[in-house]
Amino acid sequence: GAGVSQTPSNKVTEKGKYVELRCDPISGHTALYWYRQSLGQGPEFLIYFQGTGAADDSGLPNDRFFAVRPEGSVSTLKIQRTERGDSAMYLCASSLFPGVGETQYFGPGTRLLVL
Amino acid sequence: AQSVTQLGSHVSVSEGALVLLRCNYSSSVPPYLFWYVQYPNQGLQLLLKYTSAATLVKGINGFEAEFKKSETSFHLTKPSAHMSDAAEYFCAVSHLTGANSKLTFGKGITLSVRP
Repeated sequence: GAGVSQTPSNKVTEKGKYVELRCDPISGHTALYWYRQSLGQGPEFLIYFQGTGAADDSGLPNDRFFAVRPEGSVSTLKIQRTERGDSAMYLCASSLFPGVGETQYFGPGTRLLVL
Repeated sequence: AQSVTQLGSHVSVSEGALVLLRCNYSSSVPPYLFWYVQYPNQGLQLLLKYTSAATLVKGINGFEAEFKKSETSFHLTKPSAHMSDAAEYFCAVSHLTGANSKLTFGKGITLSVRP
């Protein structure tokens, strides 16, 4: 079966622009996570969806970041007024259920570069 | 708060040698622990996970890890390294905050395998 997919794989934008990053989770997975991975670091949690609702957005760095999952499947991470410090790999993961022992399956990521 | 420490950023071994990648955790509750591998330009792939069953966990590609509560460790081992094992390895702990079982990752260790 298909895994988690993310588009685009790479995104280059200019400082101040708006970007959207898309995540298509494994079919039937109810839980969806966004993480950000800076160079030389491990992924850091951004936001978690259970179904359509953002159950925990405590990892979003500021109000320029926003994410939606309107139909409980595909999710879009939106970044307004991008800054050079937003450059990173953005990873999406999904799991069948949100339990602590559940395996999270990761997509290949979107590498964002803000010039 | 739960956290993971991966000491050292780079390990180099010869092909056929033992692989040992260290991970120590800090957790106020029984943890769920994971090892993920990330190959260049790919997403994270689960190697193995500990979910409070057997303390010795076997994973894919010949890797295994042992949960040692007394040492708060979950080190990853493989008896004989292959060239294909060269990648970045992340240890992670899962914890429940409300309904969110987000992962907290270590900084990762890059494994190089010399011919």
